[in-house]
Amino acid sequence: GAVVSQHPSWVICKSGTSVKIECRSLDFQATTMFWYRQFPKQSLMLMATSNEGSKATYEQGVEKDKFLINHASLTLSTLTVTSAHPEDSSFYICSARDREGYGYTFGSGTRLTVV
Amino acid sequence: GDSVTQMEGPVTLSEEAFLTINCTYTATGYPSLFWYVQYPGEGLQLLLKATKADDKGSNKGFEATYRKETTSFHLEKGSVQVSDSAVYFCALSDIGRAGGADGLTFGKGTHLIIQP
Repeated sequence: GAVVSQHPSWVICKSGTSVKIECRSLDFQATTMFWYRQFPKQSLMLMATSNEGSKATYEQGVEKDKFLINHASLTLSTLTVTSAHPEDSSFYICSARDREGYGYTFGSGTRLTVV
Repeated sequence: GDSVTQMEGPVTLSEEAFLTINCTYTATGYPSLFWYVQYPGEGLQLLLKATKADDKGSNKGFEATYRKETTSFHLEKGSVQVSDSAVYFCALSDIGRAGGADGLTFGKGTHLIIQP
């Protein structure tokens, strides 16, 4: 089946630094990937839709200058949290639409802690 | 807009009990419906899905039927095990909505605890 690899699985960074999270589709091409954020014991909130070769589409309330998304190839999307602050600490999860177009495969998530 | 409502937990059951987790939705287009499971510290795994009305998704003993008339997609399992303890998310994808590809809309999740 479809596999999405997300890296790193966890990261601790200092306040003010930037962190890059990678999301790769390993055995299929994903023209569209999605980035979600999950707060403790809460649901996933869609942050943005990443489209290969074009600008990402951000959901209302998500700062595009803070959460930079790049989808440079059909198998790789990256999320960069710029000038991270403690309130950016969260669990970030990416997903890609599967081959059939009706399902979504998720990465294993990245736990970001900003200290 | 689209929304998913599911029963909030935690839901605590004894092993071998019958499980039902309710899920209802509102959508503007023709949604596909999903159940995802999340184990502690991990990402989401697709449990089952249904793409049109009256479809039944099933996997690992879990079942859910797409009921358009009641806009529901309740998750059921006849006999739960301790290993089923996790958080379960109901979600929809409204591909038919104008604008093209969309991400999933999730319910708040239901924490299921199975006691031996």
